[in-house]
Amino acid sequence: AQKITQTQPGMFVQEKEAVTLDCTYDTSDQSYGLFWYKQPSSGEMIFLIYQGSYDEQNATEGRYSLNFQKARKSANLVISASQLGDSAMYFCAMRDGTSYGKLTFGQGTILTVHP
Amino acid sequence: EAGVVQSPRYKIIEKKQPVAFWCNPISGHNTLYWYLQNLGQGPELLIRYENEEAVDDSQLPKDRFSAERLKGVDSTLKIQPAELGDSAVYLCASSPSKGQGAHNEQFFGPGTRLTVL
Repeated sequence: AQKITQTQPGMFVQEKEAVTLDCTYDTSDQSYGLFWYKQPSSGEMIFLIYQGSYDEQNATEGRYSLNFQKARKSANLVISASQLGDSAMYFCAMRDGTSYGKLTFGQGTILTVHP
Repeated sequence: EAGVVQSPRYKIIEKKQPVAFWCNPISGHNTLYWYLQNLGQGPELLIRYENEEAVDDSQLPKDRFSAERLKGVDSTLKIQPAELGDSAVYLCASSPSKGQGAHNEQFFGPGTRLTVL
């Protein structure tokens, strides 16, 4: 069974600074994918970034980067130059190779960006 | 391109009443998902469709929940009868079929917030 753990219930960051949101995962599969989603107060889940288990380089998408440490089973999201609009709930999720399509989500981290 | 559409956005009902949620996925997406999201938690999969076939419904409480996707496009999730513990957000998502798209990421709708009194 897959498990995603996000140990930070809430995080605060000053506008324009960088912030790291932690995510660790547990799986016995060799092939899997890791996702980060943003959920603003409006409720819609917005896809941010993806990292495949066989990808050798850390994924980047604009201000988002994923610090993937396979041996430690961690996939932390780094947001650079935080903006007020980044305030939201952030979820880490995993899709394993044997259950194509199903995402297992963590508990989420609420990020608040202060001006 | 239009996103995943869900209706209603909000629904308040009394316990033991039936309720239905509707979802229209992104055009061309063959895979459709229904997730349940309790307050302060991450979504949990209820059911996944490949076209009109339910390929994973292991987490769907079949005594009171049902779903259909008759023509392989839009889908309806029903609860009958609703219980107090069903109060949650019901999210619909869609993705291209396996092998299509860069990462086969799932695109989510805005959800339906259900309150059972």
